[in-house]
Amino acid sequence: KNEVEQSPQNLTAQEGEFITINCSYSVGISALHWLQQHPGGGIVSLFMLSSGKKKHGRLIATINIQEKHSSLHITASHPRDSAVYICAAHINTGNQFYFGTGTSLTVIP
Amino acid sequence: DTAVSQTPKYLVTQMGNDKSIKCEQNLGHDTMYWYKQDSKKFLKIMFSYNNKELIINETVPNRFSPKSPDKAHLNLHINSLELGDSAVYFCASTSFEGTSYNEQFFGPGTRLTVL
Repeated sequence: KNEVEQSPQNLTAQEGEFITINCSYSVGISALHWLQQHPGGGIVSLFMLSSGKKKHGRLIATINIQEKHSSLHITASHPRDSAVYICAAHINTGNQFYFGTGTSLTVIP
Repeated sequence: DTAVSQTPKYLVTQMGNDKSIKCEQNLGHDTMYWYKQDSKKFLKIMFSYNNKELIINETVPNRFSPKSPDKAHLNLHINSLELGDSAVYFCASTSFEGTSYNEQFFGPGTRLTVL
């Protein structure tokens, strides 16, 4: 069993819909990362959080440390949001990363 | 100005060969990483390195070795390439402040194909 589980694996949404991607982890973490990988292959770091909530534009990330769960929300989704979203649990000790398998999001106009 | 760059972008080679992938960052970061992304798009950390410590993922074969000539570079050498080494390899960098690491910046990736 992977230390980090994401759901759903695949998600198709209509433009404008509110989207939620979930991430659960089983290890004690220093931080939880959300990454975005576009069809071209490049990876961009969206958020790094260890508590509470962060917001960048239409993207919101939340984390519940007690429940070992994080969510990535996209408001007013747009076709350019189509990408694979990956969560990763980071442990400072040993500088270890455990990655989820990714959620492939397609937003249809 | 590219923050994290990798060369080459594509690498096609025969089984048994030795090859290197270069990574450079101009962000002044003190920590660099190599990741492998397999055909199922699953990312796995291979190495993390700062000027004091190399941390190796125990699942990485010793045919893979990182070499850092200076803080801005972390190159990946692969000996005796095997078919299973075919993947996309990403370099990334970050900085360590206080008690934690900051967000990572990723290179564009190198697609390695072993024939």
